[in-house]
Amino acid sequence: SQQGEEDPQALSIQEGENATMNCSYKTSINNLQWYRQNSGRGLVHLILIRSNEREKHSGRLRVTLDTSKKSSSLLITASRAADTASYFCATQRRGTYKYIFGTGTRLKVLA
Amino acid sequence: EPEVTQTPSHQVTQMGQEVILRCVPISNHLYFYWYRQILGQKVEFLVSFYNNEISEKSEIFDDQFSVERPDGSNFTLKIRSTKLEDSAMYFCASSVRTDQETQYFGPGTRLLVL
Repeated sequence: SQQGEEDPQALSIQEGENATMNCSYKTSINNLQWYRQNSGRGLVHLILIRSNEREKHSGRLRVTLDTSKKSSSLLITASRAADTASYFCATQRRGTYKYIFGTGTRLKVLA
Repeated sequence: EPEVTQTPSHQVTQMGQEVILRCVPISNHLYFYWYRQILGQKVEFLVSFYNNEISEKSEIFDDQFSVERPDGSNFTLKIRSTKLEDSAMYFCASSVRTDQETQYFGPGTRLLVL
């Protein structure tokens, strides 16, 4: 089964607007992480949310987790041009070491 | 802030050649990982390593791949006989623990097999 499918695949917004990206997964998870990747570069960790948590904040970022719906969302408020990147969710199942990454959402913030 | 480092940043090799990709994990981390990302595709897990042995590996991690922690700081991925389809960005990651802990990624090594 596939884990971590994000939608939308691509999102284009104006600077100052909010951006919401969603992630769905199919099996029970231990925790979920969101990463950012600038084109051709490394993965930058944004937020980890554990399976017993429902919401976490970090600066302009808000992540929610709904384990009953097997979904998570990443909200970036007051977006900036520098937020332009691909955003990935990654899930870890209990008893495993690996994270399984989704296909990502390509966010473009227009100045 | 401590970070994972990787060398080289780019490597070009001929098909059939051996390559070694190097990583220096964050110093107090105990768990180490390799992932790869073929251009335009998902990031895929290859292997995890703890206490000097492989703790989990994917079906991608076949006999042509090996990992090693040759000293107290480096963590390496060796590809014995590279194939064209090994061309990808290879990411090293590390974490303090494995359970419910962030995996911190390095900047990656872009491998091109000709």
